[in-house]
Amino acid sequence: GAVVSQHPSWVICKSGTSVKIECRSLDFQATTMFWYRQFPKQSLMLMATSNEGSKATYEQGVEKDKFLINHASLTLSTLTVTSAHPEDSSFYICSAARSQWGTEAFFGQGTRLTVV
Amino acid sequence: AQSVAQPEDQVNVAEGNPLTVKCTYSVSGNPYLFWYVQYPNRGLQFLLKYITGDNLVKGSYGFEAEFNKSQTSFHLKKPSALVSDSALYFCAVRDGTNAGKSTFGDGTTLTVKP
Repeated sequence: GAVVSQHPSWVICKSGTSVKIECRSLDFQATTMFWYRQFPKQSLMLMATSNEGSKATYEQGVEKDKFLINHASLTLSTLTVTSAHPEDSSFYICSAARSQWGTEAFFGQGTRLTVV
Repeated sequence: AQSVAQPEDQVNVAEGNPLTVKCTYSVSGNPYLFWYVQYPNRGLQFLLKYITGDNLVKGSYGFEAEFNKSQTSFHLKKPSALVSDSALYFCAVRDGTNAGKSTFGDGTTLTVKP
């Protein structure tokens, strides 16, 4: 149990376009989902925390108008990178937890975004 | 504020030898500690966690970790390394007295040579 699926696994898009990444909890209800960004050979940087049905909480320095997060259901959160630029190219990973107080979050397999 | 330090960027061991990947943490409340492994272009796979109870925690793939409160450490260990253990390992901490996010270390690349 506790499977989290991200889609797509990789995507290439043109500068100026928007890209949507989905994060689904397949066998549990995820009250809280986290979105991370990872640069090559670096750690995970938390971008935002979203709780189902409410607005996401963004970390300092993350542009909320550029990285739109929607958590409309207990099994789905989406991250939309708007007006993507090459510097947005990165590996994006989501994780899902049954609650904010849960002891464990489960990770998706990640999405490699390349903006050309 | 909470933080995690993985002092070694790289750990090299020979297959069959024991391995240790170090992690120290800082958190104001009760520490929830985690180890994850990441293979190239993949998400994180959970290895083990410490929440409460025995200081020695056993996890997936033969890994274990020892919680040491006085040294604020949570080193990952395995008695006999396999080549397939070669990957990037992350330690993470959460403040167990509060809801919310985990903080990750910078990661340690483990290379096991045959």
